[in-house]
Amino acid sequence: DAGVIQSPRHEVTEMGQEVTLRCKPISGHNSLFWYRQTMMRGLELLIYFNNNVPIDDSGMPEDRFSAKMPNASFSTLKIQPSEPRDSAVYFCASSSTWGGRSNQPQHFGDGTRLSIL
Amino acid sequence: AQTVTQSQPEMSVQEAETVTLSCTYDTSESDYYLFWYKQPPSRQMILVIRQEAYKQQNATENRFSVNFQKAAKSFSLKISDSQLGDAAMYFCAYRSPANNDMRFGAGTRLTVKP
Repeated sequence: DAGVIQSPRHEVTEMGQEVTLRCKPISGHNSLFWYRQTMMRGLELLIYFNNNVPIDDSGMPEDRFSAKMPNASFSTLKIQPSEPRDSAVYFCASSSTWGGRSNQPQHFGDGTRLSIL
Repeated sequence: AQTVTQSQPEMSVQEAETVTLSCTYDTSESDYYLFWYKQPPSRQMILVIRQEAYKQQNATENRFSVNFQKAAKSFSLKISDSQLGDAAMYFCAYRSPANNDMRFGAGTRLTVKP
């Protein structure tokens, strides 16, 4: 079975540029999560979607970050303009929710290592 | 808000020995789910084991088992017969059934010595 698929695996770009990270969740999963991992702050939840609808975006650092989920099989996380402090590994994860109860584990993609120069 | 604490930034174990990683959490909920994830150098996040709070029996998965102490809000991971491939960062995580929020601890880096 295909797991969560993220692209690109690595991204290096100059500050000020727009960055778009992509995620394809596991088929049938109705919840999708974006995390950021850094040495200083560990794993931080940025935003999550339930049935393609953003539920909690309180973890999004600032207006430069935006996320969309146009359909059940695709999501993007965009940073515009990017800054060096955005350098991190960004993970996408998905899970299924039954009857509103979140008893399923999250399955993670391999992450995107983002470096902003 | 729930918090998850892993008090051991680093741990070391000899190959074939047993090691226990600690995790405590803070919650006012009675029903919740706990997980241990492993992150090897390849940076994949791999689910190791999970525990439902309403179950008294400790979860086991081959060489991995947990010691779940609900009253103490403790959820430690025991790795038996440690192997070189067990070397990784281990994250403890709490998930509330009321929402999709999952809280992670800061992680414990496990080194396995041959």
